[in-house]
Amino acid sequence: KNQVEQSPQSLIILEGKNCTLQCNYTVSPFSNLRWYKQDTGRGPVSLTIMTFSENTKSNGRYTATLDADTKQSSLHITASQLSDSASYICVVSPGDMRFGAGTRLTVKP
Amino acid sequence: NAGVTQTPKFRILKIGQSMTLQCTQDMNHNYMYWYRQDPGMGLKLIYYSVGAGITDKGEVPNGYNVSRSTTEDFPLRLELAAPSQTSVYFCASSWGSGDTGELFFGEGSRLTVL
Repeated sequence: KNQVEQSPQSLIILEGKNCTLQCNYTVSPFSNLRWYKQDTGRGPVSLTIMTFSENTKSNGRYTATLDADTKQSSLHITASQLSDSASYICVVSPGDMRFGAGTRLTVKP
Repeated sequence: NAGVTQTPKFRILKIGQSMTLQCTQDMNHNYMYWYRQDPGMGLKLIYYSVGAGITDKGEVPNGYNVSRSTTEDFPLRLELAAPSQTSVYFCASSWGSGDTGELFFGEGSRLTVL
């Protein structure tokens, strides 16, 4: 069983709308949690990285939250743009990195 | 601003053939990694290196080999290609380990074994 579960698997939203992606993990001990954006046919690119003591981290229109007690994280995208269409990958580290399968986001005009 | 460079981007192999995926980084990172990405699955670690001359197995090393003769280069070798090795391969590097270092990925190499 994967130790990092992401939901939903895919999501379609209209341009300008907000959305929230979820990441639940069972990895222990916990060191940090990262969110990556992967455009189709490209390598993943880092969006945010949070340690266990951080509850929220923003990067422009992207805001990640972390609840280390419930082992849940979310990535909130505000005022979506067509360029936000991509896969979003949650990665949890205790030393070695454990990757979620990703959420495929499609933003339509 | 090259970052992590992988070649080739696409390759089709016949069963039993061999090939090497090349990876070069120009950021002077000590840590380098090879991952494979299969549809609907998270990235799986194949091999990693913490510095020149040092390599170690990851989660799915069978059928692959690596070497790290320089800080910059970390080639991945497939000796006897099998259909199960059809995947997208990503090389990555970081200045620190998973606890501290941000990963920088290459553009990926799509390999098909027929």
